[in-house]
Amino acid sequence: EIVLTQSPGTLSLSPGARATLSCRASQSVSSSYLAWYQQKPGQAPRLLIYGASSRATGIPDRFSGSGSGTDFTLTISRLEPEDFAVYYCQQYGNSPLITFGQGTRLEIK
Amino acid sequence: QVQLQESGPGLVKPSETLSLTCTVSGGSIGGNFWSWMRQPPGKGLEWIGYFYHSGSTNYNPSLKSRVTTSVDTSKNQFSLKLSSVTAADTAVYYCATTTLMVPDAFDIWGQGKLVTVSS
Repeated sequence: EIVLTQSPGTLSLSPGARATLSCRASQSVSSSYLAWYQQKPGQAPRLLIYGASSRATGIPDRFSGSGSGTDFTLTISRLEPEDFAVYYCQQYGNSPLITFGQGTRLEIK
Repeated sequence: QVQLQESGPGLVKPSETLSLTCTVSGGSIGGNFWSWMRQPPGKGLEWIGYFYHSGSTNYNPSLKSRVTTSVDTSKNQFSLKLSSVTAADTAVYYCATTTLMVPDAFDIWGQGKLVTVSS
């Protein structure tokens, strides 16, 4: 069973700073089918990145994804106030077919 | 634009069956993959299962023995049944789908339905 481990658990940064979030898989992710979501309190998750590096429709270009194999990164180049939220990575294709990481909370410093 | 809306009882007794429906608007349920996820209060996301309108399915092995999904094309709805529930099944349940060429991520989600398991 593939396990996704996100780090850090909590990231405290100021608006305007650069954020780097990590997602490490216990085995290679099929065809780089790695996605990132943003979730705010009381809301459904919002897809940011799919295929490790493709931005979803309407996502600002300050969000970027990179990585392959077992190591993936979500970078937010300059944090806006609305970016403070919880971020999840998700893989597709292994067993189970879909799994999520435990999340990284991005909070205002 | 496709929109999803979950509906069903918000309270289910232990050992009973949880039943939820997802209504699809702005598009047809045919020709797409549909999925259910859940999120216990204050915790992370868990994938429940994936199914195609033709009837093929793929469920999370940890829940497979208790999950049933179905589709009603005449109502543009799909449903989830989770049997023998316990307090551990208390969660916000989401239905979701994808408009991507490969169904590897979910870009359309319902707003979520909180289901509490309690006597």
